[in-house]
Amino acid sequence: AQSVTQLDSHVSVSEGTPVLLRCNYSSSYSPSLFWYVQHPNKGLQLLLKYTSAATLVKGINGFEAEFKKSETSFHLTKPSAHMSDAAEYFCVVSFSNDYKLSFGAGTTVTVRA
Amino acid sequence: EAQVTQNPRYLITVTGKKLTVTCSQNMNHEYMSWYRQDPGLGLRQIYYSMNVEVTDKGDVPEGYKVSRKEKRNFPLILESPSPNQTSLYFCACGVSGTEAFFGQGTRLTVV
Repeated sequence: AQSVTQLDSHVSVSEGTPVLLRCNYSSSYSPSLFWYVQHPNKGLQLLLKYTSAATLVKGINGFEAEFKKSETSFHLTKPSAHMSDAAEYFCVVSFSNDYKLSFGAGTTVTVRA
Repeated sequence: EAQVTQNPRYLITVTGKKLTVTCSQNMNHEYMSWYRQDPGLGLRQIYYSMNVEVTDKGDVPEGYKVSRKEKRNFPLILESPSPNQTSLYFCACGVSGTEAFFGQGTRLTVV
């Protein structure tokens, strides 16, 4: 069975400092991994995805994530946080030939001025 | 524009009064799914459909029904809503092994 663990339920950073959101997964098969962002009262927007190509994946708004198979991790980073990055972030795992998506519990990001 | 449209966006109803939340997609995707989002639990899958007339239970199907008579539509039916079904609901569509596209969400309150 596949599962996703987001290691931090809440992350608070100062504007202009780096952001790190941690995600570990378990899957018996080679996974596809995604990060989604949800701004208040909005739907879910895809930030980036890993689907067995390059292990360092670049997404929108300056975010990137690195797939590390040996650590079963897919951490999300951004070098410099912006106020508009305040949102909830979800790490999601899937694997090929299966429609099921498994979501982490989410990480709420607060950005301090 | 590619989109997933849910209606209504907000709904307050009373216990036991049947309701339907509609979902429509214009991307011609075979796969559609319903999720509920609750604080601290992320999104949990209620039902999904891999094609017309093919539906299956997700992780939390109790109290919900779905139908898939056409490829573009996947309504969620609550025959007898209860307060524990108060939640934020999302419809999604996609293809296997890749990302899902989500609607804007329906906030349901059952009193």
